[in-house]
Amino acid sequence: KQEVTQIPAALSVPEGENLVLNCSFTDSAIYNLQWFRQDPGKGLTSLLLIQSSQREQTSGRLNASLDKSSGRSTLYIAASQPGDSATYLCAVSPDSWGKFQFGAGTQVVVTP
Amino acid sequence: DTAVSQTPKYLVTQMGNDKSIKCEQNLGHDTMYWYKQDSKKFLKIMFSYNNKELIINETVPNRFSPKSPDKAHLNLHINSLELGDSAVYFCASSQDPSRQETQYFGPGTRLLVL
Repeated sequence: KQEVTQIPAALSVPEGENLVLNCSFTDSAIYNLQWFRQDPGKGLTSLLLIQSSQREQTSGRLNASLDKSSGRSTLYIAASQPGDSATYLCAVSPDSWGKFQFGAGTQVVVTP
Repeated sequence: DTAVSQTPKYLVTQMGNDKSIKCEQNLGHDTMYWYKQDSKKFLKIMFSYNNKELIINETVPNRFSPKSPDKAHLNLHINSLELGDSAVYFCASSQDPSRQETQYFGPGTRLLVL
């Protein structure tokens, strides 16, 4: 059974610092991995999707890496801003039907 | 324009009641999902429909029954509500998951069973 773990559970950094969020999964037979952002009281917003054949994806200040063999993904957020404060969720899917299994998330606070 | 919308946003009800949550997407997507986020913030998939056909049916009580009248709608009906059903329920949609496309989430329905 797939288990997805995110460390740390919470993180507080001053504005301008780089953020490093970790995600690990126990079954390396994944179809893809996705990073989401969840703001309090709101739905999820997709940030990056990495296909199983890819090693990383980048979008603006965000970069996500995937090491399938070791069951790890890392989300880097460069030059953090207060607007980056949110919960970041990692999810893996074992097949093409989008049956994502989520981690518990990392709650990020960026202080001005 | 809201891409994925859910009604109601909040739902407070008594144990034993039957309730429905509606979801609509205007993105023209073929696949829709229901997720449950419990008090510990774990998000778990419940159901998925592709072109009105059930493709994912996780281990959930049969008190939960999804219904897809058309591709743009996926409703969730819950019979005999229990205290443990209290959670936030999210609807999501995607165009074609086999093409590695992302899922778009609705704002959530906060259900509280008293």
